[in-house]
Amino acid sequence: GNSVTQMEGPVTLSEEAFLTINCTYTATGYPSLFWYVQYPGEGLQLLLKATKADDKGSNKGFEATYRKETTSFHLEKGSVQVSDSAVYFCALRDTGTASKLTFGTGTRLQVTL
Amino acid sequence: DADVTQTPRNRITKTGKRIMLECSQTKGHDRMYWYRQDPGLGLQLIYYSFDVKDINKGEISDGYSVSRQAQAKFSLSLESAIPNQTALYFCATSLAGGSYNEQFFGPGTRLTVL
Repeated sequence: GNSVTQMEGPVTLSEEAFLTINCTYTATGYPSLFWYVQYPGEGLQLLLKATKADDKGSNKGFEATYRKETTSFHLEKGSVQVSDSAVYFCALRDTGTASKLTFGTGTRLQVTL
Repeated sequence: DADVTQTPRNRITKTGKRIMLECSQTKGHDRMYWYRQDPGLGLQLIYYSFDVKDINKGEISDGYSVSRQAQAKFSLSLESAIPNQTALYFCATSLAGGSYNEQFFGPGTRLTVL
């Protein structure tokens, strides 16, 4: 079956630090990969996506590259801000599963001044 | 105005009570989903509906039922609530078809079963 594994949090960084949140996946087909972000008290919002191997998704300074050889989709940002404090979810949608998403457990990021 | 709304936002109830959580959307999407979120477990799919007449069980449908009253409305019911159904519940919507369909989430309903 499909699964997504994320690094456990919380991750605490100082403002302007470099961020990496690891994500690896297992899928039976050729999945599309996503990062969703959940700000306090809100629902999830799509942050970025990649639909095939070697694609790079990017948004708001965040980037992730679809690595088929390592089955990974690590999230990175060069300089985090306090406003980036949130929970980040890696997810996949496999071929043949319609629109169903499989989520990782989420990684809480806290950025301090 | 929010595109995906959920009511109530918070609910405390007792074991054995029947509870209904409602979801409405103004995005015109055909597909709607119900998820629950538990600490350390991410989101798990309860039920999903591809249109008014197409309802499907997700990973954890036991103890839950749903009703798709219209394209814009998708309700989740707990017929007899139990404490381990205490969780944060999210509704989501997406377009049909295509190689990629972003899901748009509501703000969530926090349910506590005592």
